[in-house]
Amino acid sequence: DTAVSQTPKYLVTQMGNDKSIKCEQNLGHDTMYWYKQDSKKFLKIMFSYNNKELIINETVPNRFSPKSPDKAHLNLHINSLELGDSAVYFCASSQVLASNTGELFFGEGSRLTVL
Amino acid sequence: QKEVEQDPGPLSVPEGAIVSLNCTYSNSAFQYFMWYRQYSRKGPELLMYTYSSGNKEDGRFTAQVDKSSKYISLFIRDSQPSDSATYLCAMSTYSGAGSYQLTFGKGTKLSVIP
Repeated sequence: DTAVSQTPKYLVTQMGNDKSIKCEQNLGHDTMYWYKQDSKKFLKIMFSYNNKELIINETVPNRFSPKSPDKAHLNLHINSLELGDSAVYFCASSQVLASNTGELFFGEGSRLTVL
Repeated sequence: QKEVEQDPGPLSVPEGAIVSLNCTYSNSAFQYFMWYRQYSRKGPELLMYTYSSGNKEDGRFTAQVDKSSKYISLFIRDSQPSDSATYLCAMSTYSGAGSYQLTFGKGTKLSVIP
């Protein structure tokens, strides 16, 4: 049973389209994240949500809008897709505990290709 | 200067070799130091973490942190073909409200040749 699952795994679309990526975690964690990994494998945080509340919002175009209907789900909607949006998007979750390092549990990624 | 610097490689070694992977950082606020391993077409998974300066060993893996030099290392002994992956160093700060911010290095791609 996958801990952090994302759909779709692959997405190919045209410039200007709108698309969504969904994420669900069954670990009971309170915090979820979206990371972007570019073609050079650089992994950069985009957003984090704790219990449906936006906590981290890095410098990301406002074409990207995260939505968290509940603490187990964090979706990412992207409007007016551009070529530069092509990347692998990773969802992750974590839990704050006294002994925690903030370990992130990642999904397998959603590979977005914009043509 | 980027917050975390990591040589992207690629690094190719024969099976059984000792591998040394390194990162430097500039932000003194980083609290935890981690190594993630990412296999091709998969998400990163935590390999090891350390908090204080010094060494931490787990099987064939040793993580080393030198806070005074802002330098962290991962050593892999008796490397195996199954160790072939991209290794990402990561450093975390607590952003509040239950949220950690991890800053990743660019990752080093390692190939262990049988």
